[in-house]
Amino acid sequence: NAGVTQTPKFRVLKTGQSMTLLCAQDMNHEYMYWYRQDPGMGLRLIHYSVGEGTTAKGEVPDGYNVSRLKKQNFLLGLESAAPSQTSVYFCASSTPTGRRAQETQYFGPGTRLLVL
Amino acid sequence: AQSVTQLGSHVSVSEGALVLLRCNYSSSVPPYLFWYVQYPNQGLQLLLKYTSAATLVKGINGFEAEFKKSETSFHLTKPSAHMSDAAEYFCAVRLTGNQFYFGTGTSLTVIP
Repeated sequence: NAGVTQTPKFRVLKTGQSMTLLCAQDMNHEYMYWYRQDPGMGLRLIHYSVGEGTTAKGEVPDGYNVSRLKKQNFLLGLESAAPSQTSVYFCASSTPTGRRAQETQYFGPGTRLLVL
Repeated sequence: AQSVTQLGSHVSVSEGALVLLRCNYSSSVPPYLFWYVQYPNQGLQLLLKYTSAATLVKGINGFEAEFKKSETSFHLTKPSAHMSDAAEYFCAVRLTGNQFYFGTGTSLTVIP
């Protein structure tokens, strides 16, 4: 199993450009998440999905959109990139268990995005 | 509202010394607590998690954490630091729903 993979690994954008980050998991997980990591701020949840075709806003959703058309993929879109969106983006997935405390998130390796 | 607070953004210990990374949570309901480790240029990896089965939780790589409800703490410890332990450590809490909240992280440096 590859686990959670993210593409691309690194990208440079100009302000106003758009792009899509792809997250794929091969563990048949129901839940998928997008986080951004900024120095001194830890990880902050952008959007998440509890199943194919469903998405929900996290802590910092503004400026981002997501789609979960297939269970194994979770896309994060930036329609008009801004310098404030320079960050490292992590995708994670998990699956519900009989006891919620057992649920563990598995993380991808991250995508470094620089917006000039 | 801050759900998880990690005290100390940087911790340095000598090789072989005790590692203590602090995490306090704020929750009025029983929390589900986790510690993750992040090595440079990698994603987060689960170290251990509190599932209410036992207050002392053992994880990978010799780490353990103790849940103390009276102190609302879930500090991470390791008796003897190795050079390979140098990394960023995150405490996380899952409250109700599907959202996890992460602390701001503690960078551990191990001095030879």
